[in-house]
Amino acid sequence: AQKITQTQPGMFVQEKEAVTLDCTYDTSDPSYGLFWYKQPSSGEMIFLIYQGSYDQQNATEGRYSLNFQKARKSANLVISASQLGDSAMYFCDIETQTPTFGTGTSLTVIP
Amino acid sequence: GAGVSQTPSNKVTEKGKYVELRCDPISGHTALYWYRQSLGQGPEFLIYFQGTGAADDSGLPNDRFFAVRPEGSVSTLKIQRTERGDSAVYLCASSLETGLAGATQYFGPGTRLTVL
Repeated sequence: AQKITQTQPGMFVQEKEAVTLDCTYDTSDPSYGLFWYKQPSSGEMIFLIYQGSYDQQNATEGRYSLNFQKARKSANLVISASQLGDSAMYFCDIETQTPTFGTGTSLTVIP
Repeated sequence: GAGVSQTPSNKVTEKGKYVELRCDPISGHTALYWYRQSLGQGPEFLIYFQGTGAADDSGLPNDRFFAVRPEGSVSTLKIQRTERGDSAVYLCASSLETGLAGATQYFGPGTRLTVL
């Protein structure tokens, strides 16, 4: 069994500031993938970033980076230079044989 | 190219009725996933297909739920004897291949099912 925990139900950030969204996971499988998705109010899930369990370097995709700390089983998402359009729900997902999503964090960017 | 499409976008039905939800994946994507998302929750995995076969259906809650993908493209999620607790948004996603590095999923807009 695998588990994802997102402990921040809601976060606020000032426009142009950076924000970190927390994600911890638990799995006994040595090979897994970690994904972050964004879900705006329109409802569609949008892929942001991927980190493999054997990847040595932290993943980055534009303004998104993943702070992967394998020993602590954490995979926090860092969004730099926040924009108003970043306001959305953010979900962390772990995949071994099947995907498991967390309960999400609602991010609000304040102008 | 076109993304993942789902029909209908909304479905209202009465308790005890049968419903079918359709998913049209991105062309060429061999893996297809179904999820259920309740209000305030993350997507809950139901089933995934690799080609025509159900590779893992461990998330289906009971035998009222069934899904098919007969030609390895379009998939239909079927729910028999619907219950009020089945009310949720049903999401479909597809990916180019299975395997962790290639498993980036592209989601459809979802079907909102309401059981009265």
